[in-house]
Amino acid sequence: DAGITQSPRHKVTETGTPVTLRCHQTENHRYMYWYRQDPGHGLRLIHYSYGVKDTDKGEVSDGYSVSRSKTEDFLLTLESATSSQTSVYFCAIGTRGGEQYFGPGTRLTVT
Amino acid sequence: LAKTTQPISMDSYEGQEVNITCSHNNIATNDYITWYQQFPSQGPRFIIQGYKTKVTNEVASLFIPADRKSSTLSLPRVSLSDTAVYYCLVGEGLGRRALTFGSGTRLQVQP
Repeated sequence: DAGITQSPRHKVTETGTPVTLRCHQTENHRYMYWYRQDPGHGLRLIHYSYGVKDTDKGEVSDGYSVSRSKTEDFLLTLESATSSQTSVYFCAIGTRGGEQYFGPGTRLTVT
Repeated sequence: LAKTTQPISMDSYEGQEVNITCSHNNIATNDYITWYQQFPSQGPRFIIQGYKTKVTNEVASLFIPADRKSSTLSLPRVSLSDTAVYYCLVGEGLGRRALTFGSGTRLQVQP
């Protein structure tokens, strides 16, 4: 395993509440990514980070924000959760060679 | 980002060689081709990456023609455990560049 953990692994929350998902790595890689995956679809990039305090938006960033105050942690926040954000969220780290290694995922349900 | 096209699904039998082809007509000079495997309820797993000609590792081979507008992932002697979704991605080799996942190819291996 690539030393990536995600927490929580499962979460049920109500519409309108803020939610923060955490990705933690022990590999000291600069590049980190947040994806979401919906049934029958591939992964869609939400946000990514090139290093501490250096982040950028992906293709589906609306309604999400991220923070990277330490190399090992990349936080994804849903400011006000909506039912359309019910999904499985994957964090990944990227090597300089371009390979990405994924965490186990967080299953989020917004009711 | 270069768009990729791959078959939606493929069927095979145990012990056979499986070849999955991906088209990427607008691949850029700096782009690498990377393949990932994903099992249900897990994050994608890096399989192989290449730039041109042929790359082989312990699990697969990747064939890339001279024009680089397509690539073929070859899985030798598949087993039931190779049943998964396989994604072809094209992007810069360095981790800084975000990758786009398509819908992937669902491979079903029968006994």
